[in-house]
Amino acid sequence: DARVTQTPRDKVTEMGQEVTMRCQPILGHNTVFWYRQTMMQGLELLAYFRNRAPLDDSGMPKDRFSAEMPDATLATLKIQPSEPRDSAVYFCASGSQGFGELFFGEGSRLTVL
Amino acid sequence: QQQVKQSPQSLIVQKGGISIINCAYENTAFDYFPWYQQFPGKGPALLIAIRPDVSEKKEGRFTISFNKSAKQFSLHIMDSQPGDSATYFCAAQTGSARQLTFGSGTQLTVLP
Repeated sequence: DARVTQTPRDKVTEMGQEVTMRCQPILGHNTVFWYRQTMMQGLELLAYFRNRAPLDDSGMPKDRFSAEMPDATLATLKIQPSEPRDSAVYFCASGSQGFGELFFGEGSRLTVL
Repeated sequence: QQQVKQSPQSLIVQKGGISIINCAYENTAFDYFPWYQQFPGKGPALLIAIRPDVSEKKEGRFTISFNKSAKQFSLHIMDSQPGDSATYFCAAQTGSARQLTFGSGTQLTVLP
């Protein structure tokens, strides 16, 4: 049963700490997305990769957020330093090029105190 | 700029009733319109999707109605069931880009 795997599922940290979230996309998918979900803003696109190359990270605060795909099986989203306003659920999704379904992971719930 | 506007924010329906959620878009370059369903603690999952060359698509109890001239599309859930209680997101995508622009979501509650 192919699925997108995200770790950690839950993370509580203190303001100023570095946070790294990881995602294993579905094998064979060449597009990977990071979305952030909050009650106020809904689902916001943070970054988008195709064939491991970053195509769009305009939704990401550049001064503290970074996204990478070291290889086809791993995508990472890093926040340094974290702030309370970063508290949200972060979703990774993967898909094939073109139209069609995006498969979402179960999310990483981040709480920054 | 919110490119996909969704309403209502919340909806309560009796079991067996019809649930209707509406979305409107601004960008005429959008050419793929999916609906995603999200249960608490889970990621969104594709429910049904439509391309603008058809006005309606039906899959079981779920139907998308699409009005290209009005730039509106809606999700109809017939014979709503308590298990349909979830948050529903409409979305839109352009052919040149792969990322989805999501509506703000509708929290549906179906009463038994």
